Amino acid sequence: ELKVEQNPLFLSMQEGKNYTIYCNYSTTSDRLYWYRQDPGKSLESLFVLLSNGAVKQEGRLMASLDTKARLSTLHITAAVHDLSATYFCAVVLQYNNNDMRFGAGTRLTVKP
Amino acid sequence: DAGVTQSPTHLIKTRGQQVTLRCSPKSGHDTVSWYQQALGQGPQFIFQYYEEEERQRGNFPDRFSGHQFPNYSSELNVNALLLGDSALYLCASSLLKGGYEQYFGPGTRLTVT
Repeated sequence: ELKVEQNPLFLSMQEGKNYTIYCNYSTTSDRLYWYRQDPGKSLESLFVLLSNGAVKQEGRLMASLDTKARLSTLHITAAVHDLSATYFCAVVLQYNNNDMRFGAGTRLTVKP
Repeated sequence: DAGVTQSPTHLIKTRGQQVTLRCSPKSGHDTVSWYQQALGQGPQFIFQYYEEEERQRGNFPDRFSGHQFPNYSSELNVNALLLGDSALYLCASSLLKGGYEQYFGPGTRLTVT
């Protein structure tokens, strides 16, 4: 069974600092997604990573994928308050477009 | 271009009742997936519909059923509501062949009392 683990689950950081969120998954996967969710809101797509070694960057966020290690990272550079949210990684089983499994989420708080 | 829409936004039901949630996919998308997100947790896959058929189902009881219409919109029905069914229900639309993105709707917040 595919399991997706994120850590840390809670992250409090100061503005201007860097940090990395980790996402491990247990079986072979076609692709990995990162989503952002603000309180009471829906999921906003950040990145879709499709192959080993894929790296994508948008603003202060950069995501990477290592399919051999079954690991994805979401790196935050020089955090700002607006990045405060919950971040989820999600994995789709290989050859199965039907079932997206989510991690438990990382609740990020960026303090001034 | 409207994105994924869901209705209603909020809903309060009593234990034992039945509820129907609705979803319209993003224009051009043909596949609708439903997820349940309990407070403080990640979304859990309920099922997916394509060409008006359920393609796959997550670990949810038969009380959860769905339907997809010819215009690709979808309904999620939950019978015999339990307190534990209280959650945010998210609909996601995608293109089955050749698409990687899943676009999520704003969700329906269901409270069972």
